[in-house]
Amino acid sequence: KQEVTQIPAALSVPEGENLVLNCSFTDSAIYNLQWFRQDPGKGLTSLLLIQSSQREQTSGRLNASLDKSSGRSTLYIAASQPGDSATYLCAPERGYSTLTFGKGTMLLVSP
Amino acid sequence: EPEVTQTPSHQVTQMGQEVILRCVPISNHLYFYWYRQILGQKVEFLVSFYNNEISEKSEIFDDQFSVERPDGSNFTLKIRSTKLEDSAMYFCASSEPRVRSYGYTFGSGTRLTVV
Repeated sequence: KQEVTQIPAALSVPEGENLVLNCSFTDSAIYNLQWFRQDPGKGLTSLLLIQSSQREQTSGRLNASLDKSSGRSTLYIAASQPGDSATYLCAPERGYSTLTFGKGTMLLVSP
Repeated sequence: EPEVTQTPSHQVTQMGQEVILRCVPISNHLYFYWYRQILGQKVEFLVSFYNNEISEKSEIFDDQFSVERPDGSNFTLKIRSTKLEDSAMYFCASSEPRVRSYGYTFGSGTRLTVV
């Protein structure tokens, strides 16, 4: 059974800092891995999708990497802003089927 | 940008009552899903649906749950006899056929409160 762990559980930084969110998963037989953002009481917004054949994806200030063999992914946020405050969720996809979510990293960026 | 639409956004129901949660997936998507998130916990998979049948379900998705695509646009989750522990945010998601390059698109959720 796939287990997903996200470290740190919470992070508080001043505006402008670069930061790294970590995700590890136990079953490396994944099809792809998706990073989401969740605002309090809201739905899931897709940030980046990395297919298993890729090592990284970039979108604006976000960069996600994937090391499938070691079961790790990182999300790098450059020049953080208060609007980045949210919970970030990592979700590897098994086969052609389901996503398994971690508990997330709760990020607070203060002005 | 295409969206997955869920209604209602919030539903309160009495224990033992039946509820139907509704979703309109993205129009060219053929795979549909329900996930739930109990307050303070992880998002959990419930069921996936393709070609008018369930393709996979979790152990959470027991006989009290059912899904249906009653027409060409709607996808519903029915909970037959709600329990207090069914209180959660329920998310619908959809994905494109075959090529998964774009991942999953989630709706904004229905918050179900069972009292």
